[in-house]
Amino acid sequence: AQTVTQSQPEMSVQEAETVTLSCTYDTSENNYYLFWYKQPPSRQMILVIRQEAYKQQNATENRFSVNFQKAAKSFSLKISDSQLGDTAMYFCAFADGQNFVFGPGTRLSVLP
Amino acid sequence: SQTIHQWPATLVQPVGSPLSLECTVEGTSNPNLYWYRQAAGRGLQLLFYSVGIGQISSEVPQNLSASRPQDRQFILSSKKLLLSDSGFYLCAWRAGGPDTQYFGPGTRLTVL
Repeated sequence: AQTVTQSQPEMSVQEAETVTLSCTYDTSENNYYLFWYKQPPSRQMILVIRQEAYKQQNATENRFSVNFQKAAKSFSLKISDSQLGDTAMYFCAFADGQNFVFGPGTRLSVLP
Repeated sequence: SQTIHQWPATLVQPVGSPLSLECTVEGTSNPNLYWYRQAAGRGLQLLFYSVGIGQISSEVPQNLSASRPQDRQFILSSKKLLLSDSGFYLCAWRAGGPDTQYFGPGTRLTVL
């Protein structure tokens, strides 16, 4: 069965600094997607970024980028120029044709 | 564009009372639909998913049930609520295949 691990339950970063959140996953599939979702205090789940496994190029969305290492089954999220509004729970997720699996989440606090 | 609605947004119910939470999706057809529960500060627990009308898969045995009476409607129910049913309930949809899940705004349920 597919699993997603986030080894950092909590992290903090100073405003305007860069932070990297870790995620590893386990699968025997070759065709899958990976995602990072953000859940701010409002608890709305918001898609931050997604990566198709067949693409070698790392996905980027403005200040958010990923480091996708397929052989290592690693999918980290880098947030550049952190802003107070980035304070949230961040969930890494894996999807194939049958399954959609979330990691346990990392609570990120951006400090002024 | 697709949108997903959930209601009510907040609900306070006594122990032993019935429950009905509704989720509807607009702008897409034949979506896969999901119900998740989230305790405060915790990850997502998949409760039910549905790939079509009348087709429900249960992930966790509990006193909750789900139904899909129409293509874009997903209902979460209980005949008698327990204190442990308190939490934040999220509905999500995705198109077929290994693609993105999109979430509704959630329902905060408190059982007293």
